[in-house]
Amino acid sequence: LAKTTQPISMDSYEGQEVNITCSHNNIATNDYITWYQQFPSQGPRFIIQGYKTKVTNEVASLFIPADRKSSTLSLPRVSLSDTAVYYCGRRAGSYQLTFGKGTKLSVIP
Amino acid sequence: DAMVIQNPRYQVTQFGKPVTLSCSQTLNHNVMYWYQQKSSQAPKLLFHYYDKDFNNEADTPDNFQSRRPNTSFCFLDIRSPGLGDAAMYLCATSSPGTGRNEQFFGPGTRLTVL
Repeated sequence: LAKTTQPISMDSYEGQEVNITCSHNNIATNDYITWYQQFPSQGPRFIIQGYKTKVTNEVASLFIPADRKSSTLSLPRVSLSDTAVYYCGRRAGSYQLTFGKGTKLSVIP
Repeated sequence: DAMVIQNPRYQVTQFGKPVTLSCSQTLNHNVMYWYQQKSSQAPKLLFHYYDKDFNNEADTPDNFQSRRPNTSFCFLDIRSPGLGDAAMYLCATSSPGTGRNEQFFGPGTRLTVL
């Protein structure tokens, strides 16, 4: 049975790079790894997704090793507004999105 | 702006009294989802529609039903809410095959059961 595990919480100072690592035990061959951000009283918002190696967009980078048993979300130079819960998850097929338990990131001035 | 809208944002119901939550979208996406998110937990998929095709998750209780009368609207019906059904209910949409296949979430409806 596939299981996604991530740290419960992390603290970071403003301006630092933050790396959040998620483990993906028994991830299926066709699953994509995906990350979402959620602020209090809002729905999750897509950040980034990937299958293997490195993906970068305007807000984050995602590193996935060859064995795909983990993934690392990298947020460059965080600000106070990046304080949120970050969910890693896997997308099976086009519809099935399963989240990990989330990492609460607190950015400190 | 194109978006996913949920009404109401807060809903209070009594134990056992049926309740309906609404979701609408202006994104014209063919897939709509309902998730349940309990306090300090991750969202959990209840079911989704691909156009009019309904797909229920295996562990979704029978107490939860859904309707999708057209592309834009989707409803979540809770037939007999229990105290354990108090949660945030999130609606999401996606359009598979259009690139990232990301899901767009609404702001949620927080349900309180008295």
